[in-house]
Amino acid sequence: KAGVTQTPRYLIKTRGQQVTLSCSPISGHRSVSWYQQTPGQGLQFLFEYFSETQRNKGNFPGRFSGRQFSNSRSEMNVSTLELGDSALYLCASRGGTGDGNTIYFGEGSWLTVV
Amino acid sequence: GQQVMQIPQYQHVQEGEDFTTYCNSSTTLSNIQWYKQRPGGHPVFLIQLVKSGEVKKQKRLTFQFGEAKKNSSLHITATQTTDVGTYFCAGKSRVTNAGKSTFGDGTTLTVKP
Repeated sequence: KAGVTQTPRYLIKTRGQQVTLSCSPISGHRSVSWYQQTPGQGLQFLFEYFSETQRNKGNFPGRFSGRQFSNSRSEMNVSTLELGDSALYLCASRGGTGDGNTIYFGEGSWLTVV
Repeated sequence: GQQVMQIPQYQHVQEGEDFTTYCNSSTTLSNIQWYKQRPGGHPVFLIQLVKSGEVKKQKRLTFQFGEAKKNSSLHITATQTTDVGTYFCAGKSRVTNAGKSTFGDGTTLTVKP
């Protein structure tokens, strides 16, 4: 089956702009999580959505938001971009206990803020 | 909140040497997962450990889950250049609801041929 699909793969934005990233989870997966990864940093958890509801949230400012649609596709939005927001944004889907709660990552969206 | 710590942060070895990374959680875990991220790539699931004291092997990789289910290790025997990458552990706390897993900061392995 198809993996986790993220779009766009690469993008460059200017400080102050906003950006929306999209994620399509593996078919049948209802849980979608977002992570930020910067050079030399680990995976910083942003939020998790399950059945269109935010289930968990990391320690990021309110400029970072997300949502999930009825087909489980998810978007995350970052408003008023700052240089420090430059990072790889990873989306991950999880199938649940039947799949051992394994997390499957997409290839990520590389965001550069200039 | 739950914290997951990994050591070392970096490890540089000569090809053929062994490598071990350790993962320690501040809380008891229901399971722990290991991921590998190649340079420029995304994390890829390697394995999940669930039982106390569990040991699993994948070719040259040996994964262990501690008796107290608060720590884990990944050992690679006779490293190869293909082992290069960052290895992450992710622990799911027994007391956390909604299935959220916490990732360690990863151990980056470089292998000199």
